[in-house]
Amino acid sequence: QLHLQESGPGLVKPSETLSLSCTVSGGSITRSSYYWAWIRQSPGKGLEWIANVYYSGSTYYNPSLESRVTISVDTSKDQFFLRLTSVTATDTAIYYCASLRRPPQSSSWNFDRWGQGTLVTVSS
Amino acid sequence: DIQMTQSPSSLSASVGDRVIITCQASQDISNFLNWYQQKPGKAPKLLIYDASSLEAGVPSRFSGSGSGTHFTFTISSLQPEDIATYYCQQFEKLFTFGPGTKVDLK
Repeated sequence: QLHLQESGPGLVKPSETLSLSCTVSGGSITRSSYYWAWIRQSPGKGLEWIANVYYSGSTYYNPSLESRVTISVDTSKDQFFLRLTSVTATDTAIYYCASLRRPPQSSSWNFDRWGQGTLVTVSS
Repeated sequence: DIQMTQSPSSLSASVGDRVIITCQASQDISNFLNWYQQKPGKAPKLLIYDASSLEAGVPSRFSGSGSGTHFTFTISSLQPEDIATYYCQQFEKLFTFGPGTKVDLK
Protein backbone atom coordinates (compact mmCIF):
# COMPACT_ATOMS: atom_id res chain seq x y z
CA GLN A 1 0.00 0.00 0.00
CA LEU A 2 1.54 3.26 -1.14
CA HIS A 3 2.08 5.92 1.49
CA LEU A 4 3.10 9.50 0.73
CA GLN A 5 4.38 12.09 3.18
CA GLU A 6 5.03 15.77 2.51
CA SER A 7 7.74 17.76 4.27
CA GLY A 8 9.00 21.32 4.13
CA PRO A 9 8.72 24.76 5.74
CA GLY A 10 5.31 25.89 6.87
CA LEU A 11 6.12 29.58 6.43
CA VAL A 12 7.66 31.26 3.40
CA LYS A 13 8.25 34.98 2.90
CA PRO A 14 6.76 36.81 -0.07
CA SER A 15 8.95 36.77 -3.19
CA GLU A 16 10.91 33.79 -1.90
CA THR A 17 10.86 30.16 -3.07
CA LEU A 18 8.61 27.46 -1.66
CA SER A 19 10.31 24.05 -1.57
CA LEU A 20 8.57 20.82 -0.60
CA SER A 21 9.50 17.16 -0.62
CA CYS A 22 7.34 14.06 -0.82
CA THR A 23 8.60 10.69 0.36
CA VAL A 24 7.01 7.60 -1.14
CA SER A 25 6.93 4.35 0.83
CA GLY A 26 5.20 1.01 0.40
CA GLY A 27 6.31 0.83 -3.21
CA SER A 28 9.03 2.12 -5.49
CA ILE A 29 8.77 5.53 -7.11
CA THR A 30 9.94 3.79 -10.31
CA ARG A 31 6.84 1.59 -10.52
CA SER A 32 5.31 1.61 -13.97
CA SER A 33 1.91 3.18 -14.57
CA TYR A 34 2.45 5.76 -11.86
CA TYR A 35 3.26 9.43 -12.06
CA TRP A 36 3.78 11.65 -9.04
CA ALA A 37 1.88 14.88 -8.52
CA TRP A 38 1.51 18.02 -6.47
CA ILE A 39 -1.94 19.49 -5.80
CA ARG A 40 -2.85 22.42 -3.58
CA GLN A 41 -6.00 23.54 -1.86
CA SER A 42 -6.84 27.05 -0.80
CA PRO A 43 -10.16 28.56 0.29
CA GLY A 44 -10.14 30.90 -2.67
CA LYS A 45 -9.27 28.49 -5.48
CA GLY A 46 -10.31 25.06 -4.23
CA LEU A 47 -8.30 22.08 -5.42
CA GLU A 48 -5.68 23.01 -8.02
CA TRP A 49 -3.39 20.58 -9.82
CA ILE A 50 0.15 21.96 -9.98
CA ALA A 51 2.35 19.44 -11.79
CA ASN A 52 3.30 15.81 -12.18
CA VAL A 53 6.47 13.89 -12.94
CA TYR A 54 7.36 10.36 -14.07
CA TYR A 55 10.34 8.56 -12.58
CA SER A 56 12.18 9.08 -15.86
CA GLY A 57 11.90 12.82 -15.33
CA SER A 58 9.18 13.69 -17.84
CA THR A 59 6.93 16.42 -16.53
CA TYR A 60 3.55 18.09 -17.01
CA TYR A 61 2.70 21.51 -15.59
CA ASN A 62 -0.41 23.56 -14.97
CA PRO A 63 -0.07 26.38 -17.54
CA SER A 64 -1.19 28.95 -14.98
CA LEU A 65 1.79 28.11 -12.74
CA GLU A 66 4.33 26.76 -15.22
CA SER A 67 6.55 29.84 -15.27
CA ARG A 68 7.17 29.55 -11.50
CA VAL A 69 7.10 25.78 -10.88
CA THR A 70 9.65 22.99 -11.08
CA ILE A 71 8.85 19.38 -10.22
CA SER A 72 11.64 16.82 -9.97
CA VAL A 73 12.29 13.31 -8.74
CA ASP A 74 15.10 11.46 -6.95
CA THR A 75 14.65 7.74 -7.55
CA SER A 76 17.51 6.81 -5.21
CA LYS A 77 15.54 8.22 -2.28
CA ASP A 78 11.98 7.50 -3.51
CA GLN A 79 11.28 11.21 -3.26
CA PHE A 80 9.92 13.91 -5.50
CA PHE A 81 10.00 17.65 -5.07
CA LEU A 82 8.22 20.93 -5.72
CA ARG A 83 9.76 24.35 -6.16
CA LEU A 84 7.53 27.40 -6.54
CA THR A 85 9.32 30.70 -7.02
CA SER A 86 8.29 34.29 -6.34
CA VAL A 87 5.50 33.34 -3.97
CA THR A 88 2.75 35.72 -2.89
CA ALA A 89 -0.07 35.48 -0.37
CA THR A 90 -2.21 33.80 -3.02
CA ASP A 91 0.14 30.78 -2.85
CA THR A 92 -0.91 30.15 0.75
CA ALA A 93 -2.54 26.72 0.70
CA ILE A 94 -2.42 23.14 1.85
CA TYR A 95 -0.05 21.34 -0.49
CA TYR A 96 -0.65 17.66 -1.18
CA CYS A 97 1.53 15.15 -2.92
CA ALA A 98 -0.29 12.32 -4.65
CA SER A 99 0.24 9.29 -6.84
CA LEU A 100 -1.24 9.58 -10.31
CA ARG A 101 -2.23 6.16 -11.60
CA ARG A 102 -2.11 5.54 -15.33
CA PRO A 103 -2.87 1.89 -16.18
CA PRO A 104 -1.18 0.47 -19.31
CA GLN A 105 -3.10 0.77 -22.58
CA SER A 106 -5.59 2.99 -20.80
CA SER A 107 -6.66 6.59 -21.13
CA SER A 108 -7.43 6.70 -17.42
CA TRP A 109 -5.65 8.97 -14.98
CA ASN A 110 -6.60 9.23 -11.32
CA PHE A 111 -5.05 10.46 -8.09
CA ASP A 112 -5.36 7.26 -6.12
CA ARG A 113 -3.20 7.97 -3.06
CA TRP A 114 -2.61 11.27 -1.28
CA GLY A 115 -0.33 12.49 1.45
CA GLN A 116 -1.88 14.10 4.51
CA GLY A 117 -1.05 17.57 3.20
CA THR A 118 1.12 20.35 4.56
CA LEU A 119 -0.01 23.92 5.17
CA VAL A 120 2.26 26.54 3.66
CA THR A 121 1.64 30.14 4.61
CA VAL A 122 3.19 33.00 2.67
CA SER A 123 3.76 35.91 5.00
CA SER A 124 6.49 38.28 6.09
CA ASP B 1 -9.08 25.32 -20.14
CA ILE B 2 -11.83 22.89 -19.21
CA GLN B 3 -14.03 24.30 -16.44
CA MET B 4 -16.00 22.08 -14.07
CA THR B 5 -19.15 23.08 -12.23
CA GLN B 6 -21.05 21.16 -9.55
CA SER B 7 -24.54 21.44 -8.13
CA PRO B 8 -25.68 21.89 -5.57
CA SER B 9 -22.83 23.58 -3.71
CA SER B 10 -24.19 22.12 -0.49
CA LEU B 11 -27.04 19.90 0.64
CA SER B 12 -28.53 18.51 3.81
CA ALA B 13 -29.96 15.00 3.89
CA SER B 14 -31.08 12.40 6.39
CA VAL B 15 -29.51 9.01 7.04
CA GLY B 16 -30.86 6.61 4.45
CA ASP B 17 -31.64 9.29 1.88
CA ARG B 18 -30.57 9.04 -1.73
CA VAL B 19 -28.12 11.84 -2.53
CA ILE B 20 -27.42 13.01 -6.06
CA ILE B 21 -24.69 15.45 -7.10
CA THR B 22 -24.20 16.67 -10.65
CA CYS B 23 -21.04 17.79 -12.38
CA GLN B 24 -20.88 19.60 -15.69
CA ALA B 25 -17.85 20.09 -17.92
CA SER B 26 -17.39 23.12 -20.18
CA GLN B 27 -16.64 20.81 -23.11
CA ASP B 28 -16.96 17.14 -24.04
CA ILE B 29 -14.68 15.06 -21.80
CA SER B 30 -16.03 11.61 -22.78
CA ASN B 31 -15.88 9.54 -19.56
CA PHE B 32 -12.65 11.16 -18.37
CA LEU B 33 -14.00 12.00 -14.93
CA ASN B 34 -13.24 10.99 -11.36
CA TRP B 35 -15.04 11.61 -8.05
CA TYR B 36 -13.35 12.20 -4.69
CA GLN B 37 -14.54 12.44 -1.09
CA GLN B 38 -12.86 14.80 1.35
CA LYS B 39 -13.60 14.77 5.06
CA PRO B 40 -12.62 17.76 7.24
CA GLY B 41 -8.89 17.94 7.88
CA LYS B 42 -8.17 15.01 5.57
CA ALA B 43 -6.88 14.56 2.05
CA PRO B 44 -9.30 13.72 -0.75
CA LYS B 45 -10.00 10.04 -1.37
CA LEU B 46 -10.72 8.52 -4.78
CA LEU B 47 -14.17 6.93 -4.94
CA ILE B 48 -15.09 6.67 -8.63
CA TYR B 49 -12.84 6.72 -11.69
CA ASP B 50 -13.61 6.81 -15.40
CA ALA B 51 -17.04 8.24 -14.53
CA SER B 52 -18.55 4.98 -13.29
CA SER B 53 -15.89 2.54 -12.02
CA LEU B 54 -15.85 1.97 -8.28
CA GLU B 55 -12.42 2.16 -6.68
CA ALA B 56 -11.40 -0.97 -4.78
CA GLY B 57 -12.64 -1.01 -1.19
CA VAL B 58 -15.25 1.72 -1.73
CA PRO B 59 -18.78 0.80 -0.58
CA SER B 60 -21.23 -0.04 -3.33
CA ARG B 61 -23.69 2.64 -2.18
CA PHE B 62 -21.49 5.07 -4.13
CA SER B 63 -21.94 5.19 -7.88
CA GLY B 64 -21.28 7.43 -10.84
CA SER B 65 -22.66 7.83 -14.34
CA GLY B 66 -22.56 10.09 -17.33
CA SER B 67 -20.43 11.00 -20.31
CA GLY B 68 -19.74 13.97 -22.50
CA THR B 69 -20.45 17.06 -20.42
CA HIS B 70 -22.96 15.88 -17.82
CA PHE B 71 -22.17 13.54 -14.94
CA THR B 72 -23.96 12.30 -11.84
CA PHE B 73 -22.66 11.00 -8.52
CA THR B 74 -25.07 9.09 -6.28
CA ILE B 75 -25.06 7.86 -2.70
CA SER B 76 -27.90 5.35 -2.64
CA SER B 77 -28.41 5.43 1.13
CA LEU B 78 -26.60 8.16 3.04
CA GLN B 79 -24.64 7.01 6.08
CA PRO B 80 -23.28 9.23 8.88
CA GLU B 81 -19.71 8.53 7.75
CA ASP B 82 -20.51 9.95 4.29
CA ILE B 83 -20.60 13.51 5.64
CA ALA B 84 -17.93 15.18 3.54
CA THR B 85 -17.29 17.37 0.54
CA TYR B 86 -17.37 15.66 -2.86
CA TYR B 87 -15.37 16.78 -5.88
CA CYS B 88 -15.45 15.84 -9.53
CA GLN B 89 -12.22 16.03 -11.56
CA GLN B 90 -11.62 15.86 -15.30
CA PHE B 91 -8.58 14.41 -17.00
CA GLU B 92 -9.46 14.90 -20.67
CA LYS B 93 -7.03 17.79 -20.85
CA LEU B 94 -4.62 18.05 -17.94
CA PHE B 95 -6.49 18.03 -14.62
CA THR B 96 -9.23 20.28 -13.24
CA PHE B 97 -11.37 19.84 -10.14
CA GLY B 98 -14.91 21.01 -9.58
CA PRO B 99 -15.67 23.45 -6.72
CA GLY B 100 -17.11 20.74 -4.49
CA THR B 101 -20.44 19.80 -2.94
CA LYS B 102 -20.68 19.77 0.84
CA VAL B 103 -22.98 17.08 2.22
CA ASP B 104 -24.19 17.25 5.80
CA LEU B 105 -26.89 15.69 7.94
CA LYS B 106 -30.30 17.20 8.23
